[in-house]
Amino acid sequence: QLVESGGGLAQPGGSLRLSCVGSEFVFNNYEMNWVRQPPGKGLEWISNISLSDSTTQYVDSVKGRFIISRDNAKKSLYLQMNNLRVEDTAVYYCATGGLCTSGVCQSATYFKFWGQGTLVTVSS
Amino acid sequence: DIRMTQSPSTVSAFVGDRVTITCRASQSIRDWLAWYQKKPGKAPKPLIYKASTLESGVPSRFSGSGFGTEFTLTISSLQPDDFATYYCQQLSTYPWTFGQGTRVEIK
Repeated sequence: QLVESGGGLAQPGGSLRLSCVGSEFVFNNYEMNWVRQPPGKGLEWISNISLSDSTTQYVDSVKGRFIISRDNAKKSLYLQMNNLRVEDTAVYYCATGGLCTSGVCQSATYFKFWGQGTLVTVSS
Repeated sequence: DIRMTQSPSTVSAFVGDRVTITCRASQSIRDWLAWYQKKPGKAPKPLIYKASTLESGVPSRFSGSGFGTEFTLTISSLQPDDFATYYCQQLSTYPWTFGQGTRVEIK
């Protein structure tokens, strides 16, 4: 139900914009997240956005460099990644968070739906 | 940040074995804990949420327990499809954090 794109090779200090396209059901009913997995390492949650796009959260390591956004009409989630570092190299996944009913969102209890991931490589 | 520590890092087991993985939180997260199964090249698959609730479609050989700071994931009878890496995740407090993972290997 979720498909990421936009990954690739970027130089340190460069930028990339990731996209995640999903179904109308997902984008009308879920808060959304980005999670990454560096090669050979574990999972790291990096950002979350509310249903209405009004509230965002970030892990400290990307705060001020990455921006999460969504366009529910386009059924799309985005991650603008600026000032990239070698340590940002990872597979990036989008995933659903809290379920929303009639515009009221429950606190996320888990990430139910995930995309297949897109690889971002930061290297000179 | 809440640190999630899993043990063991690797477990070697036979098909049919009972496997238990522990996840400890650096502070209380009540029952805001999820478990995922991860295979190479695939997206994480949710198994358990709210510490003990089985996700729809997940086999009943998987179970979760715990509250506060100590949690366990148990596979009652290991099947060939279960060889993977397992992660716990706390959703109590931002930043949401994962454990470092436990790899379940064939013995």
